[in-house]
Amino acid sequence: ETGVTQSPTHLIKTRGQQVTLRCSSQSGHNTVSWYQQALGQGPQFIFQYYREEENGRGNFPPRFSGLQFPNYSSELNVNALELDDSALYLCASSLDYGQNIQYFGAGTRLSVL
Amino acid sequence: QKEVEQDPGPLSVPEGAIVSLNCTYSNSAFQYFMWYRQYSRKGPELLMYTYSSGNKEDGRFTAQVDKSSKYISLFIRDSQPSDSATYLCAMSVVGAQKLVFGQGTRLTINP
Repeated sequence: ETGVTQSPTHLIKTRGQQVTLRCSSQSGHNTVSWYQQALGQGPQFIFQYYREEENGRGNFPPRFSGLQFPNYSSELNVNALELDDSALYLCASSLDYGQNIQYFGAGTRLSVL
Repeated sequence: QKEVEQDPGPLSVPEGAIVSLNCTYSNSAFQYFMWYRQYSRKGPELLMYTYSSGNKEDGRFTAQVDKSSKYISLFIRDSQPSDSATYLCAMSVVGAQKLVFGQGTRLTINP
C-alpha cells in the first residue's frame, strides 16, 4: 500500500508567478484535501476534491484552485503569488467522501521571494 | 477566538517522563478528535483518533476526550527521544470536509 506522495518537495518562486503542486492519494482513497501550513502554525484547510469536483472550500481566495483526475490524483494551482503564500502545502487523502480520517503527505515547501 | 486552542510550548521533559498534551475547542459539533505527530520538515502523521467521548490507548499513547469540558488530551508514557516532534490536535464534524487544527505543541524529550 502506497501512502500519499507529493511533488516537488521544495519550490522557489517570485511574487506574481504561478505554481502547480501535485499529489497522489493513498492507494484506495478517492478524496483529496489540500492544506496550507505557515511556519509555527497548524494546517489550514484550502479545499477538498471528490469525484473530480471541488467539495468544500476554506477561507482562501479564488487564485487558489485545484483539479482532481480520474485516478484520484490532484493538483493545487496558485496564481499571482504573494509573499504570504510562502508555506508548507500539504495534501491529505481519505478513503471516501465524508470520511473524517485523513492521511497526509510530506508536503511541498513553497518559498515566494 | 480560535475554534481550537493548543499551547504551542515548547515543552521539554527528561526521557522516561509522562507527557500530557492538551487542546480545548469551542465547537460543540466536533465529533472526531485526532492527534498527529509532525517531525521537522515532514508531513503530519496520524497517531490516534477518537470518535465522540472516552479514552483510547495504543501502546505508550493514550487519548482522552471530555466533551462536557470541550477538552482533549494525549498522554505519552515512558517518553523517548524519538518522540521529540510537534504534536497537532485536529477535530472535525461528522461528514465534514475539513479538519480544524490546533497550533501544535513542540515537544523535546531529553536523553
